[in-house]
Amino acid sequence: EAQVTQNPRYLITVTGKKLTVTCSQNMNHEYMSWYRQDPGLGLRQIYYSMNVEVTDKGDVPEGYKVSRKEKRNFPLILESPSPNQTSLYFCASSLDSIAGELFFGEGSRLTVL
Amino acid sequence: GQNIDQPTEMTATEGAIVQINCTYQTSGFNGLFWYQQHAGEAPTFLSYNVLDGLEEKGRFSSFLSRSKGYSYLLLKELQMKDSASYLCAAVDQKVTFGTGTKLQVIP
Repeated sequence: EAQVTQNPRYLITVTGKKLTVTCSQNMNHEYMSWYRQDPGLGLRQIYYSMNVEVTDKGDVPEGYKVSRKEKRNFPLILESPSPNQTSLYFCASSLDSIAGELFFGEGSRLTVL
Repeated sequence: GQNIDQPTEMTATEGAIVQINCTYQTSGFNGLFWYQQHAGEAPTFLSYNVLDGLEEKGRFSSFLSRSKGYSYLLLKELQMKDSASYLCAAVDQKVTFGTGTKLQVIP
C-alpha cells in the first residue's frame, strides 16, 4: 500500500531533550516536506527537499533540522525542543515537484513541557 | 511571498450546494490545490487547477481565475461526511496553505 509513515504518532517530552520524528514514503517520491499545524495558523512549511541531499527552509525553520540521505526518508530533528514547538506535525511527499499532489502522513502530535 | 485568504467557518444543509472561496496573492503562480481534512486526520487531495476554468470531479468542482487571484471549491449534494476543513493552497516556488475553512453540514 502506498503510504507516508511517521513515527511517533504521539510524544510528550521536556524542554531541551533532543528528539527525532521519522518520515518514510514507499512511493519513490522525489519531493518531501514537513509542516506544522496550529489552530488559527493552518499548515506552515518547516523544511522541504526536492531530492536526495537537497533540502531548503520553508516558512518556519527555526529550531528544526532535517536530512535527506535516502530518497524514502526525511527525518525532522528538534535539537533542543521548546514549548512553542508543541504542535501537530505532518510529513508529506509528492512525485516530482512542488506542484504535485501531496500525500500526507497521519501526523505526529508533539507536546513539549 | 504569498497571502491566502479563505473564510474561517461555514455551515450548510445536507443535500444543498456550498461554495468555499479562496483568494491568493503570489509573486509567481504554478497552480492551486484544494485539500480536505477531517478532524484529527491528515489532509487528502481534492483538486488541482493551473489553468482558468472549472474542473469537475463527481460532487466536487474547483474553479480558478488567475487574473483575479481567485478560486472556489463547489460541493454539491452535501452529505454529513463532508463536514471537514477545506484547505486552499497556492504554489509558486513553494506550496503555501491557507488557514482552512471549517464546513459543518447540518441535517
